[in-house]
Amino acid sequence: EVQLVESGGGLVQPGGSLRLSCAVSGFTFGTYWMHWVRQAPEKGLVWVSRIKADGTGTSHADSVKGRFTISRDNAKSTLYLQMNSLRAEDTAVYYCARGITARYFDYWGQGILVTVSS
Amino acid sequence: QSALTQPASVSGSPGQSITISCTGTSSDVGGYNFVSWYQQHPGKAPKLMIYEVSNRPSGVSNRFSGSKSGNTASLTISGLQAEDEADYYCSSYTSISTLDVVFGGGTKLTVL
Repeated sequence: EVQLVESGGGLVQPGGSLRLSCAVSGFTFGTYWMHWVRQAPEKGLVWVSRIKADGTGTSHADSVKGRFTISRDNAKSTLYLQMNSLRAEDTAVYYCARGITARYFDYWGQGILVTVSS
Repeated sequence: QSALTQPASVSGSPGQSITISCTGTSSDVGGYNFVSWYQQHPGKAPKLMIYEVSNRPSGVSNRFSGSKSGNTASLTISGLQAEDEADYYCSSYTSISTLDVVFGGGTKLTVL
């Protein structure tokens, strides 16, 4: 059974940092692209970041570029999102998702809430 | 403002059919057959319902179907059931260099 489990969320002050993790099981992690997608309260889905299967290619939305960094450890079957210089507008539920490259997302984690507030 | 345009809400009675539209541009929906649709119940993660315009993943009811014409994709749900009430999001691969994927703003489906 494919499982993706996010952790590391919580309350952080503006300007602070958090690192999200997404532990996966049930498939060969190192052969799939992985993505982060977020959803602000009562809002729609927004793509955030992507990393290719071997970790060599990453991409970030303009809204987080220079502040967020996606990475992965294929030996640990874990995806990460390092979030620095957090802003109130980064408040959202963050989902990790398995990508069939960038064509679609076939499995999603349950989501983890990040709240940026003083 | 989302990159893809969806109606904010649609509704239908049990047994009826509804269609949700998703309009983009030639840089996304119109340029690639990489449109997907996701169902999201309140407080839950999105679930893939349609991929590559019209393909259903294993386990998804054949009451769900997808299509595309030009820059507009559509999701049709036939034989509406109470459990279909949810938010639906379209998504597309995009050739915009700073993005991989764009989403629609979401459509709230109400089963009357």
